[in-house]
Amino acid sequence: QSALTQPRSVSGSPGQSVTISCTGTSSDVGVSNYVSWYQHHPGKAPKLMVYDVSKRPSGVPDRFSGSKSGNTASLTISGLQAEDEADYYCCSHAGSFYVFGTGTKVTVL
Amino acid sequence: QLQLQESGPGLVKPSETLSLTCTVSGDSITNNFYYWAWVRQPPGKGLEWIGSIHYTGRSYFDPSLRSRVTLSVDTSKNQFSLKLRSVTAADTAVYYCTRETESSSYWSWGQGTLVTVSS
Repeated sequence: QSALTQPRSVSGSPGQSVTISCTGTSSDVGVSNYVSWYQHHPGKAPKLMVYDVSKRPSGVPDRFSGSKSGNTASLTISGLQAEDEADYYCCSHAGSFYVFGTGTKVTVL
Repeated sequence: QLQLQESGPGLVKPSETLSLTCTVSGDSITNNFYYWAWVRQPPGKGLEWIGSIHYTGRSYFDPSLRSRVTLSVDTSKNQFSLKLRSVTAADTAVYYCTRETESSSYWSWGQGTLVTVSS
């Protein structure tokens, strides 16, 4: 099972919006309602930012939003802030197992 | 509040078995709603899902690791464990334990433990 494809990096200035794509196949993202996104700062535990494609856990700012179209899921960060600089991973249910994305480094310029 | 803590050797020799335990506090591992999972991150690489187990023993594995992985649950200690056989340097990684919810997402994580495979 191959990892879901994400851009290696995206960047934006404070206040701007950035979108991270997560491309899978008709065996995972394309058929799953269970796509989640994680923020990961090096040396720390990953943090859930979005689940069930577009739902946000309590405490996650509404600047973070998720969506899906076909085999591609997306995470958009609106009003980028310095503390958003981190690695981001998507994850999708794929039948009887799960697969993570390749990861995207978000840089706040 | 749910807490998870990984424990186990930080150094394993090639061809041997990597063994890690995750101790759960703040919830019962027999909670029927959840699976308990392992995720790893090799140095400089992304997150990799290893597998997950329900307290009843039902388990799922990444297809590429299935032949080398065993997951188990110890309800008396509120712990679950990972065994990875025949390790190589490619298995060097930070290993995380986490709880898998009904929405197939991971809300709570351990801090992670680095396991290095080297002679």
